[in-house]
Amino acid sequence: GAVVSQHPSWVICKSGTSVKIECRSLDFQATTMFWYRQFPKQSLMLMATSNEGSKATYEQGVEKDKFLINHASLTLSTLTVTSAHPEDSSFYICSARVQEDYEQYFGPGTRLTVT
Amino acid sequence: QKEVEQNSGPLSVPEGAIASLNCTYSDRGSQSFFWYRQYSGKSPELIMFIYSNGDKEDGRFTAQLNKASQYVSLLIRDSQPSDSATYLCAVKGGKLIFGQGTELSVKP
Repeated sequence: GAVVSQHPSWVICKSGTSVKIECRSLDFQATTMFWYRQFPKQSLMLMATSNEGSKATYEQGVEKDKFLINHASLTLSTLTVTSAHPEDSSFYICSARVQEDYEQYFGPGTRLTVT
Repeated sequence: QKEVEQNSGPLSVPEGAIASLNCTYSDRGSQSFFWYRQYSGKSPELIMFIYSNGDKEDGRFTAQLNKASQYVSLLIRDSQPSDSATYLCAVKGGKLIFGQGTELSVKP
């Protein structure tokens, strides 16, 4: 199956700093990428949807100025958590698909801890 | 009402038994239905998908869909300790929406 990678797999940062998470589709071109957040013992919550070359569409309640998403190419999307706070500590998972009605492939996730 | 609801569990079954996982959804326009398995600290992996009413079997797994009742289920036959994980139901209309997951524990 198709492979999606994320980097880093885990990161610890200090409160107030920014951290960037990369999501890459390794063997296919992803027209759409999704970013999810998962808190312990909770489900995956969709944060935003990004199409290559377009601005991301954020879900209700997700601050677009805090969670910056860039989908500059068909194989790379980045999520930057700006001015991170401890409450942003979570498991961030990206997924990618070729096009509508195709399967979404999930990355391995990035564990963010803000101290 | 949550868009996708699952019993949070935990559901505990003995090895070799059938595990039954249930999911209901609110959007009647939903077209596709998915079951994912998620091990602790890992991202979800797709087990099965189903589009049409009825049953769909894949090895030890059977997905059942009843659109009139807005109900999806997953049966795991001959449950193994390695099946112990959280099972996420996901429903796709425009977006893929996940339920909160059911934790399954298979006891040897």
